[in-house]
Amino acid sequence: GAGVSQSPSNKVTEKGKDVELRCDPISGHTALYWYRQSLGQGLEFLIYFQGNSAPDKSGLPSDRFSAERTGGSVSTLTIQRTQQEDSAVYLCASSLARRDPNNEQFFGPGTRLTVL
Amino acid sequence: SQELEQSPQSLIVQEGKNLTINCTSSKTLYGLYWYKQKYGEGLIFLMMLQKGGEEKSHEKITAKLDEKKQQSSLHITASQPSHAGIYLCGADKGGADGLTFGKGTHLIIQP
Repeated sequence: GAGVSQSPSNKVTEKGKDVELRCDPISGHTALYWYRQSLGQGLEFLIYFQGNSAPDKSGLPSDRFSAERTGGSVSTLTIQRTQQEDSAVYLCASSLARRDPNNEQFFGPGTRLTVL
Repeated sequence: SQELEQSPQSLIVQEGKNLTINCTSSKTLYGLYWYKQKYGEGLIFLMMLQKGGEEKSHEKITAKLDEKKQQSSLHITASQPSHAGIYLCGADKGGADGLTFGKGTHLIIQP
């Protein structure tokens, strides 16, 4: 079956431009997560969606970052007025349910964002 | 702030040798996940540990969670080139919505 997919796989943009990253979770997975992996920083949790509920935005690094999830499925992460420090690999993950003891998160391949 | 410490940061091991990677938390863990990341690819789930003293194995990889649920080790027996990659431990602390990850251990297998 299809796993988590993300697009684009690579994105190069100029400083100050807006970018939109897309995540298609595994069908039937209600929980969706966005993470950022910066060089030397490890993986950083950004935002979480559970079904159609309002997301927990506490992990977003600034108000330039926003995310939405339409119909409880596809999610987009938008970064406005990109800065060079936004350069990172953005990973999306999905799982069946958040608090299940066997809550395996399935990760997508990531989008590598480079801000020039 | 980073609450998971992984050691070593990098490891070069001769093919066929055993190795151990450690992951330590300052807080009791609700769940501990091990992932492997190959260069340019996403994260691959290896194992999840939840109970104190739990041990799980998959092929030549064994992971343990200590009784206090604050430290986990990942042991690879008779390493192979396919084991090369970055190993990440992720923690579910029971309150956060996402996992908190260590910085990873970069494993290189020398033929």
